[in-house]
Amino acid sequence: NAGVTQTPKFRILKIGQSMTLQCAQDMNHNYMYWYRQDPGMGLKLIYYSVGAGITDKGEVPNGYNVSRSTTEDFPLRLELAAPSQTSVYFCASSYSNGGYTFGSGTRLTVV
Amino acid sequence: QKEVEQNSGPLSVPEGAIASLNCTYSDRGSQSFFWYRQYSGKSPELIMSIYSNGDKEDGRFTAQLNKASQYVSLLIRDSQPSDSATYLCAVFGAGNTPLVFGKGTRLSVIA
Repeated sequence: NAGVTQTPKFRILKIGQSMTLQCAQDMNHNYMYWYRQDPGMGLKLIYYSVGAGITDKGEVPNGYNVSRSTTEDFPLRLELAAPSQTSVYFCASSYSNGGYTFGSGTRLTVV
Repeated sequence: QKEVEQNSGPLSVPEGAIASLNCTYSDRGSQSFFWYRQYSGKSPELIMSIYSNGDKEDGRFTAQLNKASQYVSLLIRDSQPSDSATYLCAVFGAGNTPLVFGKGTRLSVIA
C-alpha cells in the first residue's frame, strides 16, 4: 500500500517554464488536496477536489491549475513559472472529514 | 477568513519533561481538530485527532479541546529528543471545508 505518491521530489524551473506535479493515491479516498509550504508560513491550500470531475479553489490558486479525471490522480499544473512559486508542494488525500495522508512533497525552485 | 493561531516557538524542554503546545481557532463552528508532527524536510504526519470537548490520550500524547474557549492543546509526556519537530494544529470548519493549518510550533527536546 503506497499511500500518496508525489513526483518529482525535486525540480528546478526557469522563469516562464511550465510543469506538472503528479499526485496519485491508492487508498480510494474521495478528497484530494494541494498545499504549498513556505518557510515559517505554514500550509496554504492551493486547490482541492471532493471527487472525480470536481475541483475547487483554495486560498492561493493564482498561477496553478488542476484536473481530477480519476479518483486516484490529482495533478497540479504550473503555467509560466515565477520565483514566487518557489516552495515545497504537498499533495494529500482523505475520507470526507478524516485526517489527511500526505505525500512526501515536491521541492520546486524557480530561477 | 478562518484562522488557526500557534506560537511559532521554539519551545525548548528538557528530556523527560512535559511539552505543552497550544492552538486557538477563529471559526466557532469548527468540528474536528488534528495535530500533525513534521520533521525537518519531511511531510506532516497525523498524530492525534479530537472531536469532543475534554481530553483524549494516546500513549505519551494527550489532546485537549475546549470549544467554548476555541482552544486546542497537545501535551507530550516524558518528552524525548526524537519528539523534536514542528507541530501543526489543523481545524476542519463547518461543512467539511478543507483543513486550515496553523503555522506550527517548533519543539526542541534537550537531552
